[in-house]
Amino acid sequence: QKEVEQDPGPLSVPEGAIVSLNCTYSNSAFQYFMWYRQYSRKGPELLMYTYSSGNKEDGRFTAQVDKSSKYISLFIRDSQPSDSATYLCAMYKNRDDKIIFGKGTRLHILP
Amino acid sequence: NAGVTQTPKFQVLKTGQSMTLQCAQDMNHEYMSWYRQDPGMGLRLIHYSVGAGITDQGEVPNGYNVSRSTTEDFPLRLLSAAPSQTSVYFCASSYSDGRPTEAFFGQGTRLTVV
Repeated sequence: QKEVEQDPGPLSVPEGAIVSLNCTYSNSAFQYFMWYRQYSRKGPELLMYTYSSGNKEDGRFTAQVDKSSKYISLFIRDSQPSDSATYLCAMYKNRDDKIIFGKGTRLHILP
Repeated sequence: NAGVTQTPKFQVLKTGQSMTLQCAQDMNHEYMSWYRQDPGMGLRLIHYSVGAGITDQGEVPNGYNVSRSTTEDFPLRLLSAAPSQTSVYFCASSYSDGRPTEAFFGQGTRLTVV
C-alpha cells in the first residue's frame, strides 16, 4: 500500500460549485498535512497546511484532517475558473523527515 | 529575494551524457530536496538534505547523485543519462525546525534524454 493515495481525476465541475478533493494515507505517524496547487508548467505552491487533526479555513478554502480515518480533504467554495489546476496533498512526520506527496488531482472549473 | 532558482529551464541530453542540474535558494532554509514529476506518477522524491553536509535518498535515487556543501546550493548530478530520466525536475526548500513547513519550489527543469 502506498503511503499516500490521491485520485488523479480529472475532476470537472461548473463554476460556483463546491469542490471536494481528498487523500488517504497509511502512516499514522504523519502529523503535518499540506495542500499544494500547481498550475500548468509551474512549480507547486503551498495553499494550506494543518497540524494534527481538525479544520482550517482560509477564504474560499477549507482543509480538514481526520486522523482516525487517515483521511484529509480540501474544500473549495464558489469555485472559479482560476482554480483550475492540479492539487497535491502532502504530509510528513516531524523535522528532518521527508515530505511525501500524493499524485495530484487535476481540477477543471467550467465557466 | 529570488526564492528557489533552478537552472537550466530546459535541457536535451544524449544517452550516456552526464550533467548537473543546479538549485540555489536565498531563504536560509535547512531542508532541500529534488523531485521528478512524470505524468500519472506525481512528485517522486529523488534525494533530500536536512542541512549542509547531510544528504539522504528518497524514493527514486538510482542514477542520481547529490551533495550539499553549502546551505544555499543543492545540485543534482545525472551520472549517465538514460531515456527513463526524461522528466520535469523540481527543487524545493523549506525550514526544518519543527514548524509546519512550507516547501518553496523552483520553476522546474524540463529534461529530455534522447
